[in-house]
Amino acid sequence: GQQLNQSPQSMFIQEGEDVSMNCTSSSIFNTWLWYKQDPGEGPVLLIALYKAGELTSNGRLTAQFGITRKDSFLNISASIPSDVGIYFCAGHSGAGSYQLTFGKGTKLSVIP
Amino acid sequence: EAQVTQNPRYLITVTGKKLTVTCSQNMNHEYMSWYRQDPGLGLRQIYYSMNVEVTDKGDVPEGYKVSRKEKRNFPLILESPSPNQTSLYFCASSFAGGPREAFFGQGTRLTVV
Repeated sequence: GQQLNQSPQSMFIQEGEDVSMNCTSSSIFNTWLWYKQDPGEGPVLLIALYKAGELTSNGRLTAQFGITRKDSFLNISASIPSDVGIYFCAGHSGAGSYQLTFGKGTKLSVIP
Repeated sequence: EAQVTQNPRYLITVTGKKLTVTCSQNMNHEYMSWYRQDPGLGLRQIYYSMNVEVTDKGDVPEGYKVSRKEKRNFPLILESPSPNQTSLYFCASSFAGGPREAFFGQGTRLTVV
């Protein structure tokens, strides 16, 4: 199965800083999803994007569906210690597809 | 509370001893799937089910079996576990139409010695 290219692999930031991460693909997706995984837990859906160019926010999180439909971005503003975890992007190619393609994750560490 | 429940959360077993990891969801979701998560490899899909009695292979199905006799349950069966199946396993479910907006269980950490 195809993997998405997610970057960066890991980040160390100071509390209060903004964070950006992205995913790129060689294929077009109709849906982009962003998940967060806390240590010892399953991934939890943060934001779902359904339309090219769409910009969606969830509190301090903002995600965008790239115009080319081959990329997506997640930004976290004013990071706090509880933002620590692994962030995954996932893409779905649309009707007729029964699989999600996942990125390998961005591990975020926040220094208080 | 809407949830996907996996059992057990932790399991240590020996090579060749058949085991089953259960997964149950209370959201009336039609789609369910199993993933394994390994360091550096991310989440890889093992099997998925579009509805009762309808299952198909994901990216890494070798050594695993599944069944979907009821809508809410989707057990993962390892007939003869091997050490390379040591991993963190997740079950997920979502509404009809595919895996969009999947809800994940809390995971099962399996060690095969």
